[in-house]
Amino acid sequence: KAGVTQTPRYLIKTRGQQVTLSCSPISGHRSVSWYQQTPGQGLQFLFEYFSETQRNKGNFPGRFSGRQFSNSRSEMNVSTLELGDSALYLCASSSRGPDTQYFGPGTRLTVL
Amino acid sequence: KQEVTQIPAALSVPEGENLVLNCSFTDSAIYNLQWFRQDPGKGLTSLLLIQSSQREQTSGRLNASLDKSSGRSTLYIAASQPGDSATYLCAAHSTGTASKLTFGTGTRLQVTL
Repeated sequence: KAGVTQTPRYLIKTRGQQVTLSCSPISGHRSVSWYQQTPGQGLQFLFEYFSETQRNKGNFPGRFSGRQFSNSRSEMNVSTLELGDSALYLCASSSRGPDTQYFGPGTRLTVL
Repeated sequence: KQEVTQIPAALSVPEGENLVLNCSFTDSAIYNLQWFRQDPGKGLTSLLLIQSSQREQTSGRLNASLDKSSGRSTLYIAASQPGDSATYLCAAHSTGTASKLTFGTGTRLQVTL
């Protein structure tokens, strides 16, 4: 079974731009969660989608948004990028929620 | 609000040594607790998941324990190898939070030859 895939793996953007990250979960998994990892704050929960519905949201500004498609693939969008948005963005999938979470390799976003 | 702490922040041991990594959490209302490994610049690899009703889980040289009442979990690594060098993270899955994991800050382990 293929693991969680994330594209692109690396991104460089400038302040004020917007970016879209993509995550494809393990086949059959319906829950996709997104996390931001920075050296200062560690791993922080952004949001979780299950069957195209957002079930939970972390404490991030509205510039961070996401969606999930009917095939469970998920996208995350960050608008009006700030320097502090530079981070490793990780997505995780699970079959239904309180199960083992499987993480993708991450997208490294650098904002200049 | 769940808070997860890991001690120590960094650890260096010689190859072959047995070691214990500690994780504590403030809210005992959890579905499960999961241990991960992260290599530099990479994603997270799931090592073990302990359900709230369990006391222990084992996989190879790894053994994780859970004491919900005291808010503690430990990861025991037997006969450490240089390939075990990585950052180890624990994450609590609190009840009523769908799939949200609350992570500790990790323990950076170095196993020396």
